[in-house]
Amino acid sequence: GAGVSQSPRYKVAKRGQDVALRCDPISGHVSLFWYQQALGQGPEFLTYFQNEAQLDKSGLPSDRFFAERPEGSVSTLKIQRTQQEDSAVYLCASSLHQGLNGFGYTFGSGTRLTVV
Amino acid sequence: KNEVEQSPQNLTAQEGEFITINCSYSVGISALHWLQQHPGGGIVSLFMLSSGKKKHGRLIATINIQEKHSSLHITASHPRDSAVYICAVYNTDKLIFGTGTRLQVFP
Repeated sequence: GAGVSQSPRYKVAKRGQDVALRCDPISGHVSLFWYQQALGQGPEFLTYFQNEAQLDKSGLPSDRFFAERPEGSVSTLKIQRTQQEDSAVYLCASSLHQGLNGFGYTFGSGTRLTVV
Repeated sequence: KNEVEQSPQNLTAQEGEFITINCSYSVGISALHWLQQHPGGGIVSLFMLSSGKKKHGRLIATINIQEKHSSLHITASHPRDSAVYICAVYNTDKLIFGTGTRLQVFP
C-alpha cells in the first residue's frame, strides 16, 4: 500500500500477557520510528531505526519493551508482561530521510492497546 | 511544566469561523511541525516551519522564533476540519509533542 500500515488496529491484552505490534513502513523508507500516545497526551518517542540498525532506544520505558527491524523494512514492537500503564496508542512513522527532526514523516493509524 | 504547550485544549466553532490555535515552547528548536490527528486515524503532517509563515489552502502557520511561539490558523472553517491539532518541535535530537488542541466545527 501507499501508506504506513500497522496491525492489529486494536489489541486487548490481559495483564501479564506478551503482545507484538507490527509496522509496515512505506517501501524504501530508511527511517522508522515508534511512539507511544497515552490518552489525552501527545506522542512520546520510543525508538528509532535507520534501516535495520536501532540507533536510538532511549524512549523505551522499561526492559519489557523491545523493538526490532531485522531486514530493514517491517518492524515489530514487543511488550512483555503487559501492565495497565502500557495501555496507549502505539504509533509508527517512517521517512525517506535520516534523523529525528520530523522531516518527511508518514504516520500509521496506530495500534490501540488496552491492558485489562 | 511541559516543554511544548498548546492553547486552547478544546475549541468549538461554527462553520465559516476563523480559527487560531497557539503553541508555545520553552526549548531551543530548529524546526516546528503542525500535525493533524483524526479520531481513530493516524497523524498527518500539515506544516514544517523554521521561520516566517507558510500557507496551504485554508491553513496558515506562523512562527516567531524570538518569542518561541507558533500559531496555526484555519480560515473559513468546515466540519471536516474537526480533529486534534498537534504542535511538535525538534530540539537537538528528538521531536517533542504538545498534548494537542481538539477542534470541533459545527455546521
